[in-house]
Amino acid sequence: NAGVTQTPKFRVLKTGQSMTLLCAQDMNHEYMYWYRQDPGMGLRLIHYSVGEGTTAKGEVPDGYNVSRLKKQNFLLGLESAAPSQTSVYFCASSGPVKTQYFGPGTRLLVL
Amino acid sequence: AQKVTQAQTEISVVEKEDVTLDCVYETRDTTYYLFWYKQPPSGELVFLIRRNSFDEQNEISGRYSWNFQKSTSSFNFTITASQVVDSAVYFCALSEAQGGGFKTIFGAGTRLFVKA
Repeated sequence: NAGVTQTPKFRVLKTGQSMTLLCAQDMNHEYMYWYRQDPGMGLRLIHYSVGEGTTAKGEVPDGYNVSRLKKQNFLLGLESAAPSQTSVYFCASSGPVKTQYFGPGTRLLVL
Repeated sequence: AQKVTQAQTEISVVEKEDVTLDCVYETRDTTYYLFWYKQPPSGELVFLIRRNSFDEQNEISGRYSWNFQKSTSSFNFTITASQVVDSAVYFCALSEAQGGGFKTIFGAGTRLFVKA
């Protein structure tokens, strides 16, 4: 049972480049989330989804887009990367009991 | 509005000492969930405990215990007889209903150093 997986694990981008982070869960969870973690700031919610085909903005959505075309996948897109988006990105999923299970994280460096 | 405050940025203890990590939250909802997560140096986030707002019973799991007090809006976490392997960043989190789902806010985390 893989739980929550994230692809890629690490990426370096140049300013202005685009990329997509993939999150996959095999627990049949309805809810999925994308967070970013910056030093001293804990985790901040970027976007979340309460079910297939739905997405909603979190605390820091600017500069990011998401899609949930399949229940098991939640994609996070950066259309034009900026150095301020250098961070560690975590995906999570949760079921009815609301406990979130996290993926291993993606380290993104934007130069 | 939701808010989670972990006032202790870093704590350093010597092995076998007891240590308490504080968490204070703010919410206007009557139904909400509180969590603690551990992030060891390897970076993954590990779920430790969940409490709903209607369950104020304290919980003990091995060397870990949690004290939930609605009267003071606190959900504190105590590690008894700390060990080096407890060194990690610990996050407290609050979830409440929003937009058909649940929105979770994390505290800034408390970094715990346990010295041998």
